[in-house]
Amino acid sequence: QQQVKQSPQSLIVQKGGISIINCAYENTAFDYFPWYQQFPGKGPALLIAIRPDVSEKKEGRFTISFNKSAKQFSLHIMDSQPGDSATYFCAAHSGGSNYKLTFGKGTLLTVNP
Amino acid sequence: NAGVTQTPKFRVLKTGQSMTLLCAQDMNHEYMYWYRQDPGMGLRLIHYSVGEGTTAKGEVPDGYNVSRLKKQNFLLGLESAAPSQTSVYFCASCGIRNFYEQYFGPGTRLTVT
Repeated sequence: QQQVKQSPQSLIVQKGGISIINCAYENTAFDYFPWYQQFPGKGPALLIAIRPDVSEKKEGRFTISFNKSAKQFSLHIMDSQPGDSATYFCAAHSGGSNYKLTFGKGTLLTVNP
Repeated sequence: NAGVTQTPKFRVLKTGQSMTLLCAQDMNHEYMYWYRQDPGMGLRLIHYSVGEGTTAKGEVPDGYNVSRLKKQNFLLGLESAAPSQTSVYFCASCGIRNFYEQYFGPGTRLTVT
């Protein structure tokens, strides 16, 4: 059972455009929502994360928008650059003593110059 | 400070052979994880450990075993490799405080023929 649904599977954006990746979840026990970025041949790395009591978090060109009532969250990349081309994973952390992250299936972002 | 390292980087096995993947971290992290990454499937948790001497099953544990005899090391074993275990394997670790920030190794690409 996939607990975090991510879309789209792939995305092509022109340089300078806005990239938007969406995720939805069902489990209301999730208490943290990180996004990971993975370049080809590398392991994923934390990009940005948000708590469910915050509706938006911005770090540079990257913004997470969180809609608790809809159980959805999204990553926005403003002024997308070719160097942003990577696979992006949303994830969710279960609360309490559960030490695991549940990952979405990933979005392959290509930013054309 | 090397972070998370994985050995080997590449391996080709014949069906039925066994092997052990080694993960080492130098960040004194409590939690360690083994994932496999397959095209279109995202990151799937195989096994994880919340401390030295403890292990637990993840989402896809069949055909794998793990051990965590030392805090800094987490071993993943394949007793009798199958072609379905062809994948890229990632190890990750995280600390108690930032439980949502997992640090990933560079991966091991395993092919089973």
